[in-house]
Amino acid sequence: AQSVTQLGSHVSVSEGALVLLRCNYSSSVPPYLFWYVQYPNQGLQLLLKYTSAATLVKGINGFEAEFKKSETSFHLTKPSAHMSDAAEYFCAVSQGGSEKLVFGKGTKLTVNP
Amino acid sequence: AAGVIQSPRHLIKEKRETATLKCYPIPRHDTVYWYQQGPGQDPQFLISFYEKMQSDKGSIPDRFSAQQFSDYHSELNMSSLELGDSALYFCASSPWGTGGDIAGDQETQYFGPGTRLLVL
Repeated sequence: AQSVTQLGSHVSVSEGALVLLRCNYSSSVPPYLFWYVQYPNQGLQLLLKYTSAATLVKGINGFEAEFKKSETSFHLTKPSAHMSDAAEYFCAVSQGGSEKLVFGKGTKLTVNP
Repeated sequence: AAGVIQSPRHLIKEKRETATLKCYPIPRHDTVYWYQQGPGQDPQFLISFYEKMQSDKGSIPDRFSAQQFSDYHSELNMSSLELGDSALYFCASSPWGTGGDIAGDQETQYFGPGTRLLVL
């Protein structure tokens, strides 16, 4: 069975500071990993994905994530937070193909002026 | 670019009523997934379809049924609604069989805006 653990249900940073949202996964097969962002009362928007190509993945809005197999991690980072980054972020894993996504519990990011 | 379309966006029902949620995938996407997100919760997988056949089933109550039609749109039918069914229902689509327009996109699920169901 696959699972995702997101450390920290709430993360607060100052505008311009580094954003680091942690995600660890468990999978019996090589995983496909995704980060989605959800703004209040909206759907899930794909930020970036790892699908067995480059381990450092760049996404939209200046976010990137690095797949580290030895640490079973896929942490999301952004060098400089912007007020518009305030949202909830979900890490998800699948076994690829047409398999379902298994989501973490989410991390709510607050950006302080 | 075209996105996943869900209708209705909001729905209010009484207990024991029925509801039908519709999902229109991105053009050339042949795989559809349904997820349920309770208040303050992460999305939970309900059911998926590939080429009009059920491909996987998650924690979907027996009161719910779904299907995918020849034009690839999907409908989630919910009967005997309970208060606990109040949630945000997401549909996602992927180009698993067709490959899509972007290389390496087969496994990527694109989500619709969701249908917010409130059961009173």
